[in-house]
Amino acid sequence: QKEVEQNSGPLSVPEGAIASLNCTYSDRVSQSFFWYRQYSGKSPELIMSIYSNGDKEDGRFTAQLNKASQYVSLLIRDSQPSDSATYLCAVTGGGFKTIFGAGTRLFVKA
Amino acid sequence: EPEVTQTPSHQVTQMGQEVILRCVPISNHLYFYWYRQILGQKVEFLVSFYNNEISEKSEIFDDQFSVERPDGSNFTLKIRSTKLEDSAMYFCASSEATWGQGGSYGYTFGSGTRLTVV
Repeated sequence: QKEVEQNSGPLSVPEGAIASLNCTYSDRVSQSFFWYRQYSGKSPELIMSIYSNGDKEDGRFTAQLNKASQYVSLLIRDSQPSDSATYLCAVTGGGFKTIFGAGTRLFVKA
Repeated sequence: EPEVTQTPSHQVTQMGQEVILRCVPISNHLYFYWYRQILGQKVEFLVSFYNNEISEKSEIFDDQFSVERPDGSNFTLKIRSTKLEDSAMYFCASSEATWGQGGSYGYTFGSGTRLTVV
């Protein structure tokens, strides 16, 4: 059974701080990794994708991938109250489906 | 910005009834998906669809489920005989490409259909 594991949280950070979200996955053949943001009652929204080991930056977001450790992370710099949401880690292997983790709830305190 | 459109936004049905959930994927996307999310739980894969056929399906996607792309724009999920445990948010998603091909293959999700079976 392919699994994507995340700490459910909530992770609480003050406004302006760095939020660090982590994810591990079980399937070594996984090739593509995504972070989605989901506000309560809304659909997931893609915020980052990463395919190669290392870091990838997009604005305030940095995704980090370590395939040897089967570990993906998302850093959110200068966190804002509007970043408060559930962050879903998602992994795609050699097939057509993407498997989602249960998500980490982030709360940014003003 | 291109959108995935889902209708209806909320559907209430009696147990045993058939329901059809509708989706209009982004026009230049080639891969289509249905996911569901039971309240408070993770987003679960149901089925992927490419080139007018199912490319992959999960254990959840049993004989009571079917998908169709009846024309060039719509993508539907049919549940033949609904059960109480089918109550969930159903998300349609589409992507430009999939693993192994060029192009972006992150998903764009629709806003979902909340299905309530009573």
